[in-house]
Amino acid sequence: DAGITQSPRYKITETGRQVTLMCHQTWSHSYMFWYRQDLGHGLRLIYYSAAADITDKGEVPDGYVVSRSKTENFPLTLESATRSQTSVYFCASSASGSETQYFGPGTRLLVL
Amino acid sequence: TQLLEQSPQFLSIQEGENLTVYCNSSSVFSSLQWYRQEPGEGPVLLVTVVTGGEVKKLKRLTFQFGDARKDSSLHITAAQPGDTGLYLCAPTNAGKSTFGDGTTLTVKP
Repeated sequence: DAGITQSPRYKITETGRQVTLMCHQTWSHSYMFWYRQDLGHGLRLIYYSAAADITDKGEVPDGYVVSRSKTENFPLTLESATRSQTSVYFCASSASGSETQYFGPGTRLLVL
Repeated sequence: TQLLEQSPQFLSIQEGENLTVYCNSSSVFSSLQWYRQEPGEGPVLLVTVVTGGEVKKLKRLTFQFGDARKDSSLHITAAQPGDTGLYLCAPTNAGKSTFGDGTTLTVKP
């Protein structure tokens, strides 16, 4: 299907485990983004990527790792999950850094 | 980092009422985007305002960009339950985007 997809949609894990959230877009957009959204907050940028093999830190990058070997994929890894990383994670893509961002449906992550 | 302030944080109104929400910054925006996020979904772009003083209309929604490009407002006329959601503003930056904390709007039938 065309668009932007995220998997899994829901994930429960334990403190200290590694977790990878997947994001895939079919538009060949150059830019991709990862945000987290906590209750009472808007979206906080974790990492973004301007193109394959180019990534940069956002507002809250600590505890997260990203890679972008292919234009269409932008996985986010929590190397050692902590309870404070319980959140809803949104992936987005855009043709350029200042154009419309198209968001995926989100991954709801619970860290016990 | 450009600090954004959105107000009010929460708004609960009856169907048919009018409302205005605000997005303010101490810095000048090159341009500004408004998104709406419905419960359980990702945000969706409503509009981009570019020029100081610009007014854009989207059915019952009116977006205004301040003359100095430091603030913006969203006015909804005759709100409906389908307008319920989180309204977010974000200045357009080359990649390192920043969103305000949003206004959570609830429209009761």
